[in-house]
Amino acid sequence: EVQLVESGGGLVQPGRSLRLSCAASGFTFDDYAMHWVRQAPGKGLEWVSGISWNSGSIGYADSVKGRFTISRDNAKNSLYLQMNSLRAEDTALYYCAKANKGITIFGGIFDYWGQGTLVTVSS
Amino acid sequence: EIVLTQSPDFQSVTPKEKVTITCRASQSIGSSLHWYQQKPDQSPKLLIKYASQSISGVPSRFSGSGSGTDFTLTINSLEAEDAAAYYCHQSSSLPITFGQGTRLEIK
Repeated sequence: EVQLVESGGGLVQPGRSLRLSCAASGFTFDDYAMHWVRQAPGKGLEWVSGISWNSGSIGYADSVKGRFTISRDNAKNSLYLQMNSLRAEDTALYYCAKANKGITIFGGIFDYWGQGTLVTVSS
Repeated sequence: EIVLTQSPDFQSVTPKEKVTITCRASQSIGSSLHWYQQKPDQSPKLLIKYASQSISGVPSRFSGSGSGTDFTLTINSLEAEDAAAYYCHQSSSLPITFGQGTRLEIK
């Protein structure tokens, strides 16, 4: 059974940093691209970032480019999101999602999602 | 950036009704359009992939159609458990984008 478990969320002041993690199990992690998708309270879904199976292809939404860094450790079956210079508008539930493709971060679907970890940016 | 515009934003429907949700892309995306269902306090769940391909375990009353810029999600004979938000999603090019969502309320 595919499982994606996010962690690392919490309350953080504007301008500070936070690192999210996603622990994957139930599939061959290093065969697939992985993504972060967020959802602000009461709002819709927003793609944040994606990374290919070997980290060779990485992409970011304009809203986080230069502040967030996605990475993965295939030996640990884990996905990460380093979030720096956090803003109030980054407040959201952050989901880890598995793609059905490996080599690219576009062209695929998000076939499995975690339950999300909540990030609240407030003073 | 490819903008996806869904309509309607909200619909209140009765059980057994047929529901149609549309998603229009700002430029052609071929068939790289997918649909998700999100029930309250749950993660999104994949309903339809590549515009019209069914997903194992998803009830057959859900179907998708379209290509290029215009896509449709159809729910035949709506059931009470279909109360949820529905999102379209394009993966044709970066940045990946989602529609704003359509919320279905069951009367």
